[in-house]
Amino acid sequence: AQTVTQSQPEMSVQEAETVTLSCTYDTSESDYYLFWYKQPPSRQMILVIRQEAYKQQNATENRFSVNFQKAAKSFSLKISDSQLGDAAMYFCAYVKAQGGSEKLVFGKGTKLTVNP
Amino acid sequence: EAEVAQSPRYKITEKSQAVAFWCDPISGHATLYWYRQILGQGPELLVQFQDESVVDDSQLPKDRFSAERLKGVDSTLKIQPAELGDSAMYLCASSLSTHTYEQFFGPGTRLTVL
Repeated sequence: AQTVTQSQPEMSVQEAETVTLSCTYDTSESDYYLFWYKQPPSRQMILVIRQEAYKQQNATENRFSVNFQKAAKSFSLKISDSQLGDAAMYFCAYVKAQGGSEKLVFGKGTKLTVNP
Repeated sequence: EAEVAQSPRYKITEKSQAVAFWCDPISGHATLYWYRQILGQGPELLVQFQDESVVDDSQLPKDRFSAERLKGVDSTLKIQPAELGDSAMYLCASSLSTHTYEQFFGPGTRLTVL
């Protein structure tokens, strides 16, 4: 079974600085997608960034970028120029491509605090 | 901007009672998911629908949970009877179709069972 591990239950960063959240996953599949979702307090989960496993180039979305190491099964999220609004729970998630079930398998999350 | 709607946002019930949650996906989204998120953990899939058909309900406790999406649009998740361990956030998500992989989440229903 696929598993996703986030080893940092909590992280903190100063406003305007850079922080990296870690994620590792375990799968025997070769075709899959990886995601980082953000869940602000009492608000809905939103997609931050996605990475297709077949793409070698790391995905970027404005201040958010990933370091995807397929062989190491590592998928970290870097947040540059951190803002107060970035404070949230961040979940790493995996989905197998081309399978009958497209359930997202989530890690346990990392709580990010942004200090002014 | 289109969003997934869920109601109620909060529900408090006593154990052994029945509860129901409703989800309205983004218009045109054929795939609908129900996840359960226990405090301090990531969401776990309970059931996935493609239109009105169940694709995956392997993690749904079928002795007490049921889900339906009769017309392939909105969906209802029911628990009967509720148990203390069912206290959690119940999230609904939708995606345009299978193989698009990006899921859009609703605000969730927080269930407390006393």
